Amino acid sequence: SQKIEQNSEALNIQEGKTATLTCNYTNYSPAYLQWYRQDPGRGPVFLLLIRENEKEKRKERLKVTFDTTLKQSLFHITASQPADSATYLCALGRHEVGSQGNLIFGKGTKLSVKP
Amino acid sequence: GAGVSQSPRYKVAKRGQDVALRCDPISGHVSLFWYQQALGQGPEFLTYFQNEAQLDKSGLPSDRFFAERPEGSVSTLKIQRTQQEDSAVYLCASSSRPPSGKETQYFGPGTRLLVL
Repeated sequence: SQKIEQNSEALNIQEGKTATLTCNYTNYSPAYLQWYRQDPGRGPVFLLLIRENEKEKRKERLKVTFDTTLKQSLFHITASQPADSATYLCALGRHEVGSQGNLIFGKGTKLSVKP
Repeated sequence: GAGVSQSPRYKVAKRGQDVALRCDPISGHVSLFWYQQALGQGPEFLTYFQNEAQLDKSGLPSDRFFAERPEGSVSTLKIQRTQQEDSAVYLCASSSRPPSGKETQYFGPGTRLLVL
């Protein structure tokens, strides 16, 4: 069956360090991959999208890589700040006609950045 | 604000009761999605509308779940004869274009449903 795994449920790092979150998938060929941030009691907020033919995307302190051979995406936050503390979700989008709207989410990784 | 809004924010229902959850997408957005998020889990896709057409309802868990978007704007997710396993946060999202891999989905704050 299709499966998406985010490397850990929780990640604790020190302020100023780089946070690296992992998203692995199996039995799946995504058309694109998105990363979202979710704060408690709120809906997910879109951060970055990377397509299957792209290797890397950057936005300010954020960087996403996509390796379709390894079936893995890495999400990096450089110079992390306590305000970056949240749950980060990866989501895969599908190729199949009629299912492009069907995002499949991982469980998320709860990041805590300590001052 | 111009974001996605959902109501009610919280709903407590007795088992067997019917509930209706409302979503107001961003004005002009053609695509509307419903997701279910259980505690500690990621959102799970329920159904998708392009304007008033329901193009994908493969994620609806049973025939007790029904969604509509009759005029292509506001959407309602209805759950009949609620069960305890229906307890979750129900998220609505909208996007400005049909899904193609380029668009962003904008999420509402969700409706937290608790079935007793």
